[in-house]
Amino acid sequence: NAGVTQTPKFRVLKTGQSMTLLCAQDMNHEYMYWYRQDPGMGLRLIHYSVGEGTTAKGEVPDGYNVSRLKKQNFLLGLESAAPSQTSVYFCASSYSIYGSDEQYFGPGTRLTVT
Amino acid sequence: AQTVTQSQPEMSVQEAETVTLSCTYDTSESDYYLFWYKQPPSRQMILVIRQEAYKQQNATENRFSVNFQKAAKSFSLKISDSQLGDAAMYFCAYRRGKNTGNQFYFGTGTSLTVIP
Repeated sequence: NAGVTQTPKFRVLKTGQSMTLLCAQDMNHEYMYWYRQDPGMGLRLIHYSVGEGTTAKGEVPDGYNVSRLKKQNFLLGLESAAPSQTSVYFCASSYSIYGSDEQYFGPGTRLTVT
Repeated sequence: AQTVTQSQPEMSVQEAETVTLSCTYDTSESDYYLFWYKQPPSRQMILVIRQEAYKQQNATENRFSVNFQKAAKSFSLKISDSQLGDAAMYFCAYRRGKNTGNQFYFGTGTSLTVIP
């Protein structure tokens, strides 16, 4: 089991460029999430998905889009990158939303926008 | 949105000693779950311990235990017999019991240094 994987691990973009971050999980989890982590601010939810073909906005969705065409993959897109989107991005997944089910995290992607 | 507060940005502990990390949260709900995650320099988020709000008994996982004070909305993490490998950023997280999407709300983290 690879768990949750993220591609790429590092990326540098210029302002205005676009890119897609890929998250993949092999645990057959229904729920997937994208967070960003900024110094002094903890993790904040960008978008999430409660199943294949469904997505919803989280706390900080502006400037990002997502898609969940396959159950195991959750893509995060930046259409026109801005310096404010410099951050570490984490993908997570969970089996259910019931009980004390934890979220399993990927290793993160460090994105720098210049 | 829920608020999770970790008032200690940095903490340090001598190896083999005990340290307590603080966490408070703001909620009007009675059904929820609390978690502590560890993030070592590798950046990988690792679950340390979890607590169901309906359980009065404090959760324990080996050297890690919590002091859950529901009325005070406090959820502190105690690390006993600290080891060098415990050095990491620790995040407290809250999740509603009845929710849409299983959203976690994270605190801002406490950076723990273990002194040999």
